[in-house]
Amino acid sequence: NAGVTQTPKFQVLKTGQSMTLQCAQDMNHNSMYWYRQDPGMGLRLIYYSASEGTTDKGEVPNGYNVSRLNKREFSLRLESAAPSQTSVYFCASSEGFRLWGLGSGTRLTVV
Amino acid sequence: TQLLEQSPQFLSIQEGENLTVYCNSSSVFSSLQWYRQEPGEGPVLLVTVVTGGEVKKLKRLTFQFGDARKDSSLHITAAQPGDTGLYLCAVVSGGYQKVTFGTGTKLQVIP
Repeated sequence: NAGVTQTPKFQVLKTGQSMTLQCAQDMNHNSMYWYRQDPGMGLRLIYYSASEGTTDKGEVPNGYNVSRLNKREFSLRLESAAPSQTSVYFCASSEGFRLWGLGSGTRLTVV
Repeated sequence: TQLLEQSPQFLSIQEGENLTVYCNSSSVFSSLQWYRQEPGEGPVLLVTVVTGGEVKKLKRLTFQFGDARKDSSLHITAAQPGDTGLYLCAVVSGGYQKVTFGTGTKLQVIP
């Protein structure tokens, strides 16, 4: 039982490159999330998925796309990376009000 | 407008002092969580509070959920350098049970 697994842990991109961050959870949670965290700040919601096949924009969706491939997996794609997207990205999952899992983070630098 | 406002934003205190940080909102929540995040790491769940007026203790940390379930506080007694970190509150809200994080309180405990 690994909880929430994110890959990669670190990535450096050049401006304009694209990449996909992968997230998988093995807790059978319905809801999954992608957040970004800038230095010294709280986590801001990029996109979330309340169930398989549904996705909704969060607080800061611009420049990102997501795919809820199945109940386990929720990927985040940067089509054309920009320096403003340099951040630490966290994937999370939840079920109801108490069950909650958080990934270990992906540190992305766009140069 | 932030759903969850945390205060203070920054706090620097001497070892042995007491402190309280706050998480406030105008909305009512079914539950609220507190996390601590150390530099370079992901947030780690400290506690979940679910009942209005609930008080939970975790060693020197005391968490309280407001009677109206709109706010919460975290009190640390005799702070230690190991308490240094970013403290985040988070709630589950909305029809899709979206998890939202607060703005964060950055705590530094000086030896």
